[in-house]
Amino acid sequence: DAKTTQPTSMDCAEGRAANLPCNHSTISGNEYVYWYRQIHSQGPQYIIHGLKNNETNEMASLIITEDRKSSTLILPHATLRDTAVYYCIVRVLPGGKLIFGQGTELSVKP
Amino acid sequence: DGGITQSPKYLFRKEGQNVTLSCEQNLNHDAMYWYRQDPGQGLRLIYYSQIVNDFQKGDIAEGYSVSREKKESFPLTVTSAQKNPTAFYLCASSGLGQANTGELFFGEGSRLTVL
Repeated sequence: DAKTTQPTSMDCAEGRAANLPCNHSTISGNEYVYWYRQIHSQGPQYIIHGLKNNETNEMASLIITEDRKSSTLILPHATLRDTAVYYCIVRVLPGGKLIFGQGTELSVKP
Repeated sequence: DGGITQSPKYLFRKEGQNVTLSCEQNLNHDAMYWYRQDPGQGLRLIYYSQIVNDFQKGDIAEGYSVSREKKESFPLTVTSAQKNPTAFYLCASSGLGQANTGELFFGEGSRLTVL
């Protein structure tokens, strides 16, 4: 499974878009990009995933570059409740392991 | 409601004792996973299972054991051989069929403290 690199921490003003980058330069053709977030002392929560096309759901948008070496998770209107650690993971489907890195600690400030 | 349940939520153990953490899911998922999380760190994979009566070691399996006798249950035993067992333990499950998104569903975690 490919490794990912994320910034350690980021700040975002409440109501603004939060753009969280992820580098996965060694991703292989059959690996999906997944995003999870973890609020302190809780189990991680699934946000979104994609293979090569951009994806959007009720929580966020996922933008994957054409070469698939990086992606960006976008929270369009961040709220204080979006303060969490965000993990970017690449994984083969079906059945590939999810290997979590250090993640990005996002702080949404009033 | 469908979901994944871990117990106990908090557990204290003396050094040298084995302890078993329970994980049950009623989502009819084939795959189940155990992760360990230390303060300020990401999750590290201990063991995972994709089918009943079969399981594989993850990155940090030493000092741990698991069983998968039933599809819905995947208990983790922290043995006395685990040198630093104090941590937050998370169990997860996912479907494996082609139609599945591969999303992992996590329990609320078990916090183990060795006294």
